[in-house]
Amino acid sequence: ETGVTQSPTHLIKTRGQQVTLRCSSQSGHNTVSWYQQALGQGPQFIFQYYREEENGRGNFPPRFSGLQFPNYSSELNVNALELDDSALYLCASSLRLGEADTQYFGPGTRLTVL
Amino acid sequence: KQEVTQIPAALSVPEGENLVLNCSFTDSAIYNLQWFRQDPGKGLTSLLLIQSSQREQTSGRLNASLDKSSGRSTLYIAASQPGDSATYLCAVRRILGGGADGLTFGKGTHLIIQP
Repeated sequence: ETGVTQSPTHLIKTRGQQVTLRCSSQSGHNTVSWYQQALGQGPQFIFQYYREEENGRGNFPPRFSGLQFPNYSSELNVNALELDDSALYLCASSLRLGEADTQYFGPGTRLTVL
Repeated sequence: KQEVTQIPAALSVPEGENLVLNCSFTDSAIYNLQWFRQDPGKGLTSLLLIQSSQREQTSGRLNASLDKSSGRSTLYIAASQPGDSATYLCAVRRILGGGADGLTFGKGTHLIIQP
């Protein structure tokens, strides 16, 4: 157990809908990152937040957006869902953005878009 | 653009064997490299983190090495056990501007240890 929790565990949506995924960081961690993992692939970096500010983003369109709250929990929002958005969404937290800081992953949210 | 490649894609060995998983990356300007384990349908468990200035890290039966100049890392698993069966992922964190970027992952090595 890493102390990082995600909700919901599974979610089914239809194309065009909007979805919000939630993540609770490990206690004391002020950095959170989100990743998308398609079946049979490695995770792809979506974005990361440090002290409530987005400070890094991967190659994902603007319909993927996020928030980090003062208690360092986080949300990932996806608008106008597409079939290709079906994936496991992983949240990871770390103490800081330092060289020695391990990223700890949650169990993920499995999103299916029909 | 950083690219991470893992070889082999899949590996099946009898219990008790020592084995090596390989990872290569294209951009040597990295902050650190991490090895993770992923069980089917689950999240990632961090195994080892090697900082850019380090050459190797060890944890129990696991040993990971890093050669930044050649863009390579290896994960050595000693005396393999059926419980080691999982997908092993290598990920690098780039240096970006004034800080660190997100992790770039390989596709993983699917490992099966036969009892």
